Amino acid sequence: GAVVSQHPSRVICKSGTSVKIECRSLDFQATTMFWYRQFPKQSLMLMATSNEGSKATYEQGVEKDKFLINHASLTLSTLTVTSAHPEDSSFYICSATLIKGGTHAEAFFGQGTRLTVV
Amino acid sequence: QKEVEQNSGPLSVPEGAIASLNCTYSDRVSQSFFWYRQYSGKSPELIMSIYSNGDKEDGRFTAQLNKASQYVSLLIRDSQPSDSATYLCAFPGGSYIPTFGRGTSLIVHP
Repeated sequence: GAVVSQHPSRVICKSGTSVKIECRSLDFQATTMFWYRQFPKQSLMLMATSNEGSKATYEQGVEKDKFLINHASLTLSTLTVTSAHPEDSSFYICSATLIKGGTHAEAFFGQGTRLTVV
Repeated sequence: QKEVEQNSGPLSVPEGAIASLNCTYSDRVSQSFFWYRQYSGKSPELIMSIYSNGDKEDGRFTAQLNKASQYVSLLIRDSQPSDSATYLCAFPGGSYIPTFGRGTSLIVHP
């Protein structure tokens, strides 16, 4: 399968600071990437769709000014959590979609980033 | 709204048994269906994809798709304790946005 690399895997930051998370598709180009958040024992929650060369599309209830997404190239999307607070502590996961044969879209996930805000 | 329904479980099976995981979906248009495995504290891993009606086998895993009934299942033969995880059913929705079920927790006990 395709490889998606996410960095860092774990970060602890102070309240009020910003944290940047990188998501890279290593062996394919991804015009679209997705960012998810997952709280313990809960489902994946889609936060936003990251579109290469254009603005991200945010899901309802997700603050775009707090969660800044940049998709500068076909292999890299970044999520910046600005002015982080303890309630932002969560597991953040990115995914990139590989289109096969023009019709079948397989989503591959990064390793996830465990964010703890203290 | 396109949806995926899964029993949250937990589904508990003894080691060596067959684990059967089920999923129903609302989107009649989707041509692709996927099963992901997520271990606690880890991100989901794609383990099976299926595009056509019928069965697809890969090692101990068999995915079954019935588009008429809008039903997809995953069978795990000779279940091992290492198979204990949450299994997510998914299909690509509009703009290829993956739509996931809530996942079924599987526990394989020795």
